Amino acid sequence: EVQLVESGGGLVQPGGSLRLSCAASGFTFSSYDMHWVRQVPGKGLKWVSAIGSLGDTYYPDSVKGRFTISRENAKNSLYLQMNNLRAEDTAVYYCARESSMNQALDIWGQGTMVTVSS
Amino acid sequence: SYELTQPPSVSVSPGQTARITCSGNALPNHFSYWYQQKPGQAPVVVIYKDSERPSGIPERFSGSSSGTTVTLTISGVQAEDEADYYCQSADNSGTPNWVFGGGTKLTVV
Repeated sequence: EVQLVESGGGLVQPGGSLRLSCAASGFTFSSYDMHWVRQVPGKGLKWVSAIGSLGDTYYPDSVKGRFTISRENAKNSLYLQMNNLRAEDTAVYYCARESSMNQALDIWGQGTMVTVSS
Repeated sequence: SYELTQPPSVSVSPGQTARITCSGNALPNHFSYWYQQKPGQAPVVVIYKDSERPSGIPERFSGSSSGTTVTLTISGVQAEDEADYYCQSADNSGTPNWVFGGGTKLTVV
């Protein structure tokens, strides 16, 4: 079964750091571009970062310089290092696979909740 | 920053046709995608590349594009189609930048 499972969420103070992980299974992880997407509960989806199969990385201005996406193909794992966290980073964070056929985000994890609060 | 604009809500009766629009000035230059999200669940792609339907998605879901607006059409809406729907595309910045619309709550009344 093709599956993505996120972990690492939790409560962190403003200015703190957190590392999210996403474990992939059921497909050749190294061949796919991967993304992180977040969602404030009750609000819309926001793209957070992407990493290509060759390791190229992309971020929106809202997280550039604070968040770092990485991957470890040998472990079928995707990561998101989040530094200098702000209250507005509070959200459910999803990892998602980008289809190599049509560039849709075709497989999503169930998400991990990050709460930034003192 | 670039935005994709969707109506906050659409209401239809069962069996009717629901149309959800998404507007953005870069849409003529990039493919659009539509995702369905039900409460407590992760999003699911229902339309890719403007009008293509993934396997397993019912034929009542279709997509179209005209200029700066793309439309998700659900024909013969069923109660199970009640969900939030998000369009997604890219901007014209020249660097990869995935953008989602604000989402539309489809209510089947």
